[in-house]
Parts: sequence; C-alpha cells; structure tokens
Amino acid sequence: EIVMTQSPATLSVSPGERATLSCRASQSVSSNLAWYQQKPGQAPRLLIFGASTRATGIPGRFSGSGSGTEFTLTISSLQSEDFAIYYCQQYNDWPSGTFGQGTKVEIK
Amino acid sequence: EPQLVESGGALVQPGGSLRLSCAASGFIFSSYGMSWVRQAPGKGLEWVSTISGSGGTTYYADSVKVRFTISRDNSNNSLYLQMNRLRAEDTAVYYCAKGLQYFDNWGQGTLVTVSS
Repeated sequence: EIVMTQSPATLSVSPGERATLSCRASQSVSSNLAWYQQKPGQAPRLLIFGASTRATGIPGRFSGSGSGTEFTLTISSLQSEDFAIYYCQQYNDWPSGTFGQGTKVEIK
Repeated sequence: EPQLVESGGALVQPGGSLRLSCAASGFIFSSYGMSWVRQAPGKGLEWVSTISGSGGTTYYADSVKVRFTISRDNSNNSLYLQMNRLRAEDTAVYYCAKGLQYFDNWGQGTLVTVSS
C-alpha cells in the first residue's frame, strides 16, 4: 500500500498570508494526486486533481504542484473561508486510493 | 449541479447488517463510476469501495472485502452499500462520492455506529 504523509499536521496562518502544504508518497504516484478541503461537519470538496488541475469552481488562489513522490498545495492569500483540513489522495495505485492524514489550516 | 444524498445510517450491534443508499441527481448517473468513502470519528478519509458506471465491475478495500457489497440501480439513479458482519471499527460517516479514481462530488454523509 502506498502511504501518503502530509506535513505539517497543523499550519497557523494569518488571513491574507500564503499557505504551503506538503504531501509525500512512499513511492512514485506520477501525477495521480488529488487535494480535498474539508470544513467541520461538511463533506470533503475536490480542489485539485492530476496534481495541478483545479476542479470546477475552485478559485485561482489554490494551486497544486509536484510529481512522483513530492507534492505541494499552495493557497496564495488565505481567506476566512479557507480555514479547514486539507487531504491529499493518491490514485496511481487504483483502485486502492489512499489519503494522507490531513493538514489543519488554522487562524494565527 | 450534481447532488448526492445518502441515507440508511444507524446504530447497529456488532455482527449485524445495514444497507446504505445514495440518491443521485443532476448528472447522467450511468455514465460515471461511483464510490463509498468513510471517515471514522475524528479521523481521516478511507476509500471503501468503487463500482463502474455499468455496475459490472466492483472494487473493495481489503478491510471490507467479503463483508460489504456495492451495487447500483441505474434506472433509479441509486447507489447502495450492503454491509454485513459489522465490526466496531466500521463505525464512521459513510460518504457517497462520484468518481472512480478521485471524487469530484460528495454527499453529506450518513453515520454508521457499530456498538452493543
């Protein structure tokens, strides 16, 4: 099983600042990586697929990069609605798509 | 706009059974693979099962293989998850999600609690 490790576990950021979240795969997943946002009491929402393609309706301040084993989600200027938990998911080892443990982005 | 609405979650005893349903609307249901993803209380996300658009191919996580069965009724735009021999570790919110590899639409989830 491919293990996905996200860092940091918690990221404290002030509104308007840039946030950089990392996701590492235990073996190469090519560009078969997605990012999701989950707010308390809500279902996850797809942000990015193919490592860097924004999903429909996702604002341009969200961007994804990376390939192989190292990936990054960047939120260029944090808005109040962006404080949430973010998960990465590999789907290279399909159908056994595995998720990272999540990074919580909190208000500093 | 795709919409997914789960139902069927409940409190069930260990060893019991439960059937979850997901009603889909806003897209051509039969054209898309569908999946179930679960989230234990306070924990992360875990893929459970996936079914092809036709229903002819199914996939399961090792943790639920043999115990759970995914199915769909394309004439009624519905997805199902039959869960048998439930264990305490199956306690989670179960999400219905559109997609085979990654999931671009999710339902609000339904809570399954396995406890005596």
